[in-house]
Amino acid sequence: QVTLRESGPALVKPTQTLTLTCTFSGFSLTTDGTSVSWIRQPPGKALEWLAHIHWDDDRYYSRSLRTRLTISKDTSKNQVVLTLTNMDPVDTGTYYCARLQRKGSAWVFDHWGQGTPVTVSS
Amino acid sequence: DIQMTQSPPALSASIGDRVTITCQASHDITSYLNWYQQKPGKAPKLLIYDASILETGVPSRFSGRGSGTDFSFTITSLQPEDIATYYCQQYEILPYTFGQGTKLEIK
Repeated sequence: QVTLRESGPALVKPTQTLTLTCTFSGFSLTTDGTSVSWIRQPPGKALEWLAHIHWDDDRYYSRSLRTRLTISKDTSKNQVVLTLTNMDPVDTGTYYCARLQRKGSAWVFDHWGQGTPVTVSS
Repeated sequence: DIQMTQSPPALSASIGDRVTITCQASHDITSYLNWYQQKPGKAPKLLIYDASILETGVPSRFSGRGSGTDFSFTITSLQPEDIATYYCQQYEILPYTFGQGTKLEIK
């Protein structure tokens, strides 16, 4: 059974760095075609893909947030960590981690964590 | 970035109705499109991938079609548990982008 769970602070101050951890089970991030992504959703708004890290350690970032984002993995702990620097109130929202899985020619977010809410406020 | 435009933004329908949502990509994405369902306070759930392939365990009243830039998602007979927001998402090219969502309500 595949599960993912996000953890991190619920409240951060402007200019601080947000660090979120995704702890997963039921799959390995060393398996070809398996990746973990971070996706966020401002309150009442649409989903926004942020970054993902592949089984082979390739990393990809949102173009608009590239300079502020870092994604890394610890395969021994089954964890993926996302950091977002210089937080601003517009970064407020729910942050999800999701498994990005190759299915034939498709890439799908087939399992998601429950999401962790983050508020940026002084 | 590829822009995904969904319509309508909101839709009100009756139980048993046929409901269709459209999604238009700003560039050709062949069939590289997924559809997700998100219920209030919950994470999205994958329904359809590769534009028309039903994810395992998803009811057959859900379907998708299209290629290139124009796609559609249909629920053939709306059920109460289908009340949710639906998103399309392209994976033709990074960054992966989502549509703005279609909020489906019961009339």
